[in-house]
Amino acid sequence: DVKVTQSSRYLVKRTGEKVFLECVQDMDHENMFWYRQDPGLGLRLIYFSYDVKMKEKGDIPEGYSVSREKKERFSLILESASTNQTSMYLCASRTHGGDTDTQYFGPGTRLTVL
Amino acid sequence: ILNVEQSPQSLHVQEGDSTNFTCSFPSSNFYALHWYRWETAKSPEALFVMTLNGDEKKKGRISATLNTKEGYSYLYIKGSQPEDSATYLCARPDQLIWGAGTKLIIKP
Repeated sequence: DVKVTQSSRYLVKRTGEKVFLECVQDMDHENMFWYRQDPGLGLRLIYFSYDVKMKEKGDIPEGYSVSREKKERFSLILESASTNQTSMYLCASRTHGGDTDTQYFGPGTRLTVL
Repeated sequence: ILNVEQSPQSLHVQEGDSTNFTCSFPSSNFYALHWYRWETAKSPEALFVMTLNGDEKKKGRISATLNTKEGYSYLYIKGSQPEDSATYLCARPDQLIWGAGTKLIIKP
């Protein structure tokens, strides 16, 4: 059974802290994605990766960075957390070249920055 | 249309009633449209992958249609049940753009 896991379901951090959100998939997918979801808005793409050590900016990369050292793991980093980064963060993966293939999502991390 | 738009934003439906909602998307260079269901406290899960104009897909009581020329898709739920309560998302997967979702609440 397909599985995408995220390191935390709920996280509370203080302004200025460095935050790591981890995502691991067990499907050997090449493509991985980080989204944030806020009330009234669709999923907004932060960063994505087509392969190990590759990364591409999405629509809202400011204030975030990512790391993909291994195929199964895609990390989202908030270098200095701010209150406007309070949100639900979702990780997803997809097979390579599968533009019509569905994405498989993790359970999400609800991050609160105080 | 440059974005994926969904309407209505939320919907309250009596158990047993049928309902439908809309996804509008950029029709140029159409590749595919995806529908997902996102239940509270769970991960979004794929419902339908739609690629051809005039496509109609069905899964149990839920079905979807696609018009790529005018850029819209409808999702229909027949005889709504409490377990249908969820947020329904649509997306242009090739452009990685998503609608804001329709939140469906089924009232017993």
